[in-house]
Amino acid sequence: NAGVTQTPKFRILKIGQSMTLQCTQDMNHNYMYWYRQDPGMGLKLIYYSVGAGITDKGEVPNGYNVSRSTTEDFPLRLELAAPSQTSVYFCASLHDSSYEQYFGPGTRLTVT
Amino acid sequence: DQQVKQNSPSLSVQEGRISILNCDYTNSMFDYFLWYKKYPAEGPTFLISISSIKDKNEDGRFTVFLNKSAKHLSLHIVPSQPGDSAVYFCAASGASGTYKYIFGTGTRLKVLA
Repeated sequence: NAGVTQTPKFRILKIGQSMTLQCTQDMNHNYMYWYRQDPGMGLKLIYYSVGAGITDKGEVPNGYNVSRSTTEDFPLRLELAAPSQTSVYFCASLHDSSYEQYFGPGTRLTVT
Repeated sequence: DQQVKQNSPSLSVQEGRISILNCDYTNSMFDYFLWYKKYPAEGPTFLISISSIKDKNEDGRFTVFLNKSAKHLSLHIVPSQPGDSAVYFCAASGASGTYKYIFGTGTRLKVLA
């Protein structure tokens, strides 16, 4: 099992550009999450999904969109990148038989 | 409003000694607590957890204690090893079955050889 994979690892965007952060898990987990981590801060929940076709907002959803068309994939879309979105983004998944989340390696995004 | 707080940003401990990492929370509805460990340039990995119906959970060198009346939990690592040097996050889950987590800001542990 590859676990949770994220692409790209690094990206630099100009203000106003858009991009999609990809996240895939091969563990057949029903729950998936997107977090951001700013320097010196904890992880803030952006969006999460309890299964294919179902998504919901977390603590900091503004400026982001998600979709969940399959169990495996949970892409995060930034439509109009802003410097405030400079952060490290982590995707995670969980099976509801356990409380343990599995995290991907992260995507470091810089918006200039 | 920070519902889960880790008030010590960093901690240094000598190898072989005990490391104690602390976490406080404000929401009495939290019913499950977890500790994650994070190395640089990697995602967090699950370490240990505890349900609100327990006050202690042990796994090898790691023990988590929960004091519900004080809304406080702590992670004890005994004995500490240099490989334990990492950032440790505590997280809390809300009402049963929601599987949504609130994370603390993390404590950077450095174990000195």
